[in-house]
Amino acid sequence: SQKIEQNSEALNIQEGKTATLTCNYTNYSPAYLQWYRQDPGRGPVFLLLIRENEKEKRKERLKVTFDTTLKQSLFHITASQPADSATYLCALSYYGQNFVFGPGTRLSVLP
Amino acid sequence: DVKVTQSSRYLVKRTGEKVFLECVQDMDHENMFWYRQDPGLGLRLIYFSYDVKMKEKGDIPEGYSVSREKKERFSLILESASTNQTSMYLCASSGGTRETQYFGPGTRLLVL
Repeated sequence: SQKIEQNSEALNIQEGKTATLTCNYTNYSPAYLQWYRQDPGRGPVFLLLIRENEKEKRKERLKVTFDTTLKQSLFHITASQPADSATYLCALSYYGQNFVFGPGTRLSVLP
Repeated sequence: DVKVTQSSRYLVKRTGEKVFLECVQDMDHENMFWYRQDPGLGLRLIYFSYDVKMKEKGDIPEGYSVSREKKERFSLILESASTNQTSMYLCASSGGTRETQYFGPGTRLLVL
């Protein structure tokens, strides 16, 4: 079955720097790869989606890349702010199949 | 904006009680899901539904049942609550292509 790994359980960075989070999967490439943000005690919130035929997607300070050869997605937050502190989940989905979620990376942006 | 609402944010129940968690979405999505989320275990799929009155077991269906009588509403039922069902319960919905999921705020259930 598909397994997803996210680079680390926790990541601390300094305000203003770029945060880079990694998502690796083991099996065949998904149709869609998504990134979600989750704040403590709340449900995940959808951030960005990238399709299997796309290399990169941007939204404001967020950028997602998708490398099907490496079986990896990178999620970047540029000019990070303390308000970006949260847990970030990646998820894969396939046509007609259910979502598979990674364990998440807890990002702390230090002032 | 897609809106997924859950009936309660916090719930405290006694062992053996029947518990109903309700979820409503306003985007006419075909698919609805129930997950539980526990520290160190991530999101685990309990049940999902791809149409009214249709349901499929997820990874951890034991001790749970579901009901989907209307397209916008998906209920999770704990027939006889147990302490190991203390958890955060998350409902989500998605469209037919399952490109992405939209989650509710979650219900934190404590079973004493």
